[in-house]
Amino acid sequence: DGGITQSPKYLFRKEGQNVTLSCEQNLNHDAMYWYRQDPGQGLRLIYYSQIVNDFQKGDIAEGYSVSREKKESFPLTVTSAQKNPTAFYLCASSSPTTGGVYEQYFGPGTRLTVT
Amino acid sequence: AQSVAQPEDQVNVAEGNPLTVKCTYSVSGNPYLFWYVQYPNRGLQFLLKYITGDNLVKGSYGFEAEFNKSQTSFHLKKPSALVSDSALYFCAVRDMSAGGYQKVTFGTGTKLQVIP
Repeated sequence: DGGITQSPKYLFRKEGQNVTLSCEQNLNHDAMYWYRQDPGQGLRLIYYSQIVNDFQKGDIAEGYSVSREKKESFPLTVTSAQKNPTAFYLCASSSPTTGGVYEQYFGPGTRLTVT
Repeated sequence: AQSVAQPEDQVNVAEGNPLTVKCTYSVSGNPYLFWYVQYPNRGLQFLLKYITGDNLVKGSYGFEAEFNKSQTSFHLKKPSALVSDSALYFCAVRDMSAGGYQKVTFGTGTKLQVIP
């Protein structure tokens, strides 16, 4: 999981509360990504960011928000509008942002349980 | 739109036997393909990628993948399976709708079980 940290590893929240998941990288990567993983559905992209102060919606952005104020950090907020937030959340990064084909590096994940 | 399909939810193989995890793809244009591995409650780890050139791509931990353009496949292989290879394997394709950005679309994953 080198170079990308996600905290906490497990998170429990009550329904109706917003919660923020942390993602930090020291790989000097420009691009960062948030994925949601559910059993049998693979990874689905929530948001991605290519540079500081810019981000794009992925395939399932509804009920989520992000910010990219620093190159190293890309926090994800799961809002009360997300209808089924219980899932395993993965953060990733890659570099450079354009040209060539580059793999992504993943953090260890945060398992969110909302009851 | 780009997509990948992993037709097997689970693959079982005896330790020491060769293993194959299947992936087929659908792209418009040149395919850029990846394999990742995920151990329980962990993030994904990159194994290998195909960009162009040799159809046999070698990666980490003794894995390799065979690109077949006519069959639109990118199967992951290993000559001799280890119990420690038991994990969830994901195939992915670069999503060219995002332009030059490194956005990818993942398959649904195949669970590999290596039996001692």
